[in-house]
Amino acid sequence: ETGVTQTPRHLVMGMTNKKSLKCEQHLGHNAMYWYKQSAKKPLELMFVYSLEERVENNSVPSRFSPECPNSSHLFLHLHTLQPEDSALYLCASSQDTYGYTFGSGTRLTVV
Amino acid sequence: AQSVSQHNHHVILSEAASLELGCNYSYGGTVNLFWYVQYPGQHLQLLLKYFSGDPLVKGIKGFEAEFIKSKFSFNLRKPSVQWSDTAEYFCAVNRAYSGGGADGLTFGKGTHLIIQP
Repeated sequence: ETGVTQTPRHLVMGMTNKKSLKCEQHLGHNAMYWYKQSAKKPLELMFVYSLEERVENNSVPSRFSPECPNSSHLFLHLHTLQPEDSALYLCASSQDTYGYTFGSGTRLTVV
Repeated sequence: AQSVSQHNHHVILSEAASLELGCNYSYGGTVNLFWYVQYPGQHLQLLLKYFSGDPLVKGIKGFEAEFIKSKFSFNLRKPSVQWSDTAEYFCAVNRAYSGGGADGLTFGKGTHLIIQP
């Protein structure tokens, strides 16, 4: 394990469903991130949280809604997704900008 | 905004061959540079990173990278590859902050490396 735990590992959801992805870090880091990894595209940064405050939102559609209740937990709430949102969603944490640890990801399939 | 370009999308080598994967970035300020590896079915793992100091950085598993500021490059090298090096390799960059704070990594598209026994 990396110290960053993501659940679930796999998720299949319909376009009208609402689901949430969870990320927990056990490293004492002060920043957390959501990335999207899809085939034939670079890893895309979605959201950045520093000390539980959102500091960056990279033009992500509103059907993705992040939540960071404390410095150890990060959620990504999903609703009315599209098939093109199917991807591997990665969570990462860091202490400032000097060391990033990634989770194993949630493989999301939208049907 | 910064961007990262990895020149080789697919590389096939035989065991014991030497490896060099190209990475160039564009950004007007000071950056931190990273190489990550993703083995099949596994999470991203840090190979090495450059923040400051000696531009030749040594990482895990015999990998090294050289930061050439004038060329905005951070190429990854390994003198003799093994079958177990088969994986996806990603170059990444972020903005270097002196006062702390968060900044996400900007990744290249990755290089799929296949080592043939």
